[in-house]
Amino acid sequence: QKEVEQNSGPLSVPEGAIASLNCTYSDRGSQSFFWYRQYSGKSPELIMSIYSNGDKEDGRFTAQLNKASQYVSLLIRDSQPSDSATYLCAVKYTGTASKLTFGTGTRLQVTL
Amino acid sequence: ETGVTQSPTHLIKTRGQQVTLRCSSQSGHNTVSWYQQALGQGPQFIFQYYREEENGRGNFPPRFSGLQFPNYSSELNVNALELDDSALYLCASSSGGTDTQYFGPGTRLTVL
Repeated sequence: QKEVEQNSGPLSVPEGAIASLNCTYSDRGSQSFFWYRQYSGKSPELIMSIYSNGDKEDGRFTAQLNKASQYVSLLIRDSQPSDSATYLCAVKYTGTASKLTFGTGTRLQVTL
Repeated sequence: ETGVTQSPTHLIKTRGQQVTLRCSSQSGHNTVSWYQQALGQGPQFIFQYYREEENGRGNFPPRFSGLQFPNYSSELNVNALELDDSALYLCASSSGGTDTQYFGPGTRLTVL
């Protein structure tokens, strides 16, 4: 069973701080990794994709991938109250068409 | 906005009934994936259609079926509805050969 694990939270950070969200996955034979943001009652919105070991930055967001340790993380710098949402980690495992396997999500609360 | 549309937005059915959900993919995308998201959970892969053919299926019973049309829009059909089918149904479109999926707004199905 290929799994994706996330801490459900809530993760509470003050406005302006760095939020760090983590995700581990069970199968080394994975190739593509995604972070989605989901506001309550809405559908997931793609934030970042990452395919290679290392860091990938996009504005205030940085995704980090370590395939040897089988984890992927998302850093949000200068957190804003509008960042308060559930963050879903998704993994595309090799040989599974384009099926994405999701974690249960981490709820982030950015406090004033 | 991703350009992926879904209808209807909300739906209420009773046990044993049948339901059809619809999805229009983003322009230029030929692949549609369907996911079920129960409350507090991550999306679960139902199946994927690529160029009108089923291209992968998750762990869902045969009463979940689908279609893709020549214009790449898609339908999800669920027969003999059960209470546990109450969930947010998400359609995601992608371009064949890429793993990045963009979600529509979803259809909230309630089974009474």
